[in-house]
This record gives sequence, structure tokens and C-alpha cells, in this order.
Amino acid sequence: NAGVTQTPKFRILKIGQSMTLQCAQDMNHNYMYWYRQDPGMGLKLIYYSVGAGITDKGEVPNGYNVSRSTTEDFPLRLELAAPSQTSVYFCASSFTVYEQYFGPGTRLTVT
Amino acid sequence: QKEVEQNSGPLSVPEGAIASLNCTYSDRGSQSFFWYRQYSGKSPELIMSIYSNGDKEDGRFTAQLNKASQYVSLLIRDSQPSDSATYLCAVDNYGQNFVFGPGTRLSVLP
Repeated sequence: NAGVTQTPKFRILKIGQSMTLQCAQDMNHNYMYWYRQDPGMGLKLIYYSVGAGITDKGEVPNGYNVSRSTTEDFPLRLELAAPSQTSVYFCASSFTVYEQYFGPGTRLTVT
Repeated sequence: QKEVEQNSGPLSVPEGAIASLNCTYSDRGSQSFFWYRQYSGKSPELIMSIYSNGDKEDGRFTAQLNKASQYVSLLIRDSQPSDSATYLCAVDNYGQNFVFGPGTRLSVLP
């Protein structure tokens, strides 16, 4: 099993550009999550999904969108990138809400 | 929004000592508690979960939960330099997701 995979590993965006961060898991987990982690800080939940076709906002959803058309994939869309979105983005999945498994992260810089 | 608080550290302990990491949470109704370890530049990994009051031991790690005091802690016995990392406390949020604390950076000195 590959577990949770994320692409790309690194990305530099210019202000106003858009991009999609990819996340996939091969563990047949129902729950998937997107977090951001700013330097020296904890994880803030952006969006989460409890199953295909179901998504909900977390603590910091503004500036982001998600979709969940399959159990395996949970892409995160950034529209009109801003410097405040510079962060490390982690995707996670779990069979129930507990014991989340994290991907390796995407380091995003917006300049 | 639930709040989870941790001392940011760094907490420095000598090799072989006991490291004690603390976490408090705001919602008395929280039921499930987790400790994640995050090495610098890496993703978090689950090391302990605890659901009932009292202690839960797993190797050198012991999680302690006191729901009346809204307090959860992690003890690391015989600390090793390889334990140097940031430890994140997570609390369940109405069974839908987690709220994470800011993390405590632990440094184990050889």
C-alpha cells in the first residue's frame, strides 16, 4: 500500500494564480482531511469529507475548495492565491474519524 | 470552536530522563484524545490514543487522561535523542474531525 500520497511536493505560485493540490489514498478510508500548518504552529483543518460526495468546511476554509467524487481522491483547489496561503498542506485519511494517517505534505509558497 | 492548548516549549530533557508533555482542552464533552509526533520537515504520525480516564501505556509512552480537569498528558520514559520532535495533542470534535493543539517541541540532550 502506498498509503496517502500528495502531489506536488513543492510549488511556488504567483499572487492571483490558481492550482490544485492532489491527494489520494489506497486504504479504502471513508474520511479524508485537508490541513494547513504554518511555521511553528499546529494543524488547522481546511475541509474534510466523510465519504464520496460529502464535504464540509473546517476551521479555515476561505480561499479553498474541495470535491470528493471517489473514495480514493480528495483534491484541494486554491483560487486566486494570496501570500497568506503560504504554508505546508497535509492531507490525511482514516477509516473512522480516529487514527488519521497523513501524507508527506505539499510546501506551497505564494509570492 | 474548541480550543486545545499546549506549552510551545522547547522542553529540554537529558537522555534517559522522563519527558512530560501536557495538553488542556476547552470542551468538557470531548471523548477521544490523541498524541501525534512530528519530526522536523515530516508529517505527523499517531503514537497514542486514549479514551478513558486514567493511564494507558505503550512501551516507553504513557498517556494520562483526566476528563474532570480537562487535561491529557504524555510521558516518555527513558527519553532518547530520537524522541526529539514536536508533539501534537489532538481532541475529537463532535466525532467528525480533530482539533489540534499548537504542539510542544521536545529536545532530548545526549
